[in-house]
Amino acid sequence: NAGVTQTPKFQVLKTGQSMTLQCAQDMNHEYMSWYRQDPGMGLRLIHYSVGAGITDQGEVPNGYNVSRSTTEDFPLRLLSAAPSQTSVYFCASRVRGGNYGYTFGSGTRLTVV
Amino acid sequence: KQEVTQIPAALSVPEGENLVLNCSFTDSAIYNLQWFRQDPGKGLTSLLLIQSSQREQTSGRLNASLDKSSGRSTLYIAASQPGDSATYLCAVVIYNFNKFYFGSGTKLNVKP
Repeated sequence: NAGVTQTPKFQVLKTGQSMTLQCAQDMNHEYMSWYRQDPGMGLRLIHYSVGAGITDQGEVPNGYNVSRSTTEDFPLRLLSAAPSQTSVYFCASRVRGGNYGYTFGSGTRLTVV
Repeated sequence: KQEVTQIPAALSVPEGENLVLNCSFTDSAIYNLQWFRQDPGKGLTSLLLIQSSQREQTSGRLNASLDKSSGRSTLYIAASQPGDSATYLCAVVIYNFNKFYFGSGTKLNVKP
């Protein structure tokens, strides 16, 4: 049971490049989310999903796309990277309903130059 | 929109001291509240989860309380140790949308 796995751990992109941050969980969690963490801003929700085929926007969705074709995977796509997207990205998951907490991945540190 | 505030932003205490970290939120219609620990350059580790119907949760030297009516939660750390040094984050899940709102965290330094 690996929990929530994020890849890569570090990435440097040039402005305008595209890339996909991977997130996978093996706990059969229905809910998955992406956050970015910036100094002084805390963690902010980018996109979230309540199940395969269902996604929605969070607080800061601009510049990011997501899809959820399987329960296990929730990739985050940057279509045209900008320096403002330099941040640490975290993926999180939890079971549907009930009163359960979130499990977080170890993060991806992205630098856009 | 739910606003989550943590005070103080930073705290430095000598080893062995008992301490309280504060978290306040503006919308009391929360589903649950979770406290996390984050070490530098690392991910978030869940410490305690309090359901909206609960008043407190305990794990070892940690005790978290929740007062929904006043929009407050506290994390009490007993007999602090240098290994407790980290940033502590609180986050609330609001009803219906399962969105998680974070505070900016309290950076704790426990001096030997």
